[in-house]
Amino acid sequence: QVQLVESGGGVVQPGRSLRLSCAASGFTFSSYAMHWVRQAPGKGPEWVAVISYDGSGKYYADSVRGRFTISRDDSENTLYLQTNSLRAEDTAVYYCAKGLYGSGTYPFDYWGQGTLVTVSS
Amino acid sequence: DIQMTQSPSTLSASVGDRVTITCRASQSISSWLAWYQQKPGKAPKLLIYKASSLESGVPSRFSGSGSGTEFTLTISSLQPDDFATYYCQQYSAWWTFGQGTKVEIK
Repeated sequence: QVQLVESGGGVVQPGRSLRLSCAASGFTFSSYAMHWVRQAPGKGPEWVAVISYDGSGKYYADSVRGRFTISRDDSENTLYLQTNSLRAEDTAVYYCAKGLYGSGTYPFDYWGQGTLVTVSS
Repeated sequence: DIQMTQSPSTLSASVGDRVTITCRASQSISSWLAWYQQKPGKAPKLLIYKASSLESGVPSRFSGSGSGTEFTLTISSLQPDDFATYYCQQYSAWWTFGQGTKVEIK
């Protein structure tokens, strides 16, 4: 069965960095686009970033472009999100999610359990 | 950016009720719309994609309709497990979610 397990969250001061990881299993990881989605307390989900199945395409929400970097290691079946210059408004649960199909713009059929990032001094 | 607006924000209903949630897009998204269910402390779960296609394993009491800018999610007979928050999502241009509709017990 498909499993996505995030890690790396925590409490961090404004301006600092965190690297989030998502370990994938139960499907051919290298065949699917993968996403990061975040959800601030009491709010709806917000798409953050996507990486294409082959890693050649990386796209970001305006709110994080230039500060966050998405990457993948297909040999380790792992997705990453490097978050730099963190702000209070980045506080959220961060989920990794799998695209419904291999390529193209599709919804997300599997999500991890999430990892909480809290930006506070 | 395409904005998604859901109504109502909260809906009070009883087991067995027929429930309808509306989602409007700020511009046409054809049928590129999905619906998710989220329970407290859990990740969203995909229910419907391409406006009306039921995801595998989702009960048939859930259905979706619409195209262009207006969409609906209908639960034909509300069950105890259905009390949750529902989100629409457009995937015509990147991905945007609505603000959510909480279905609570009346």
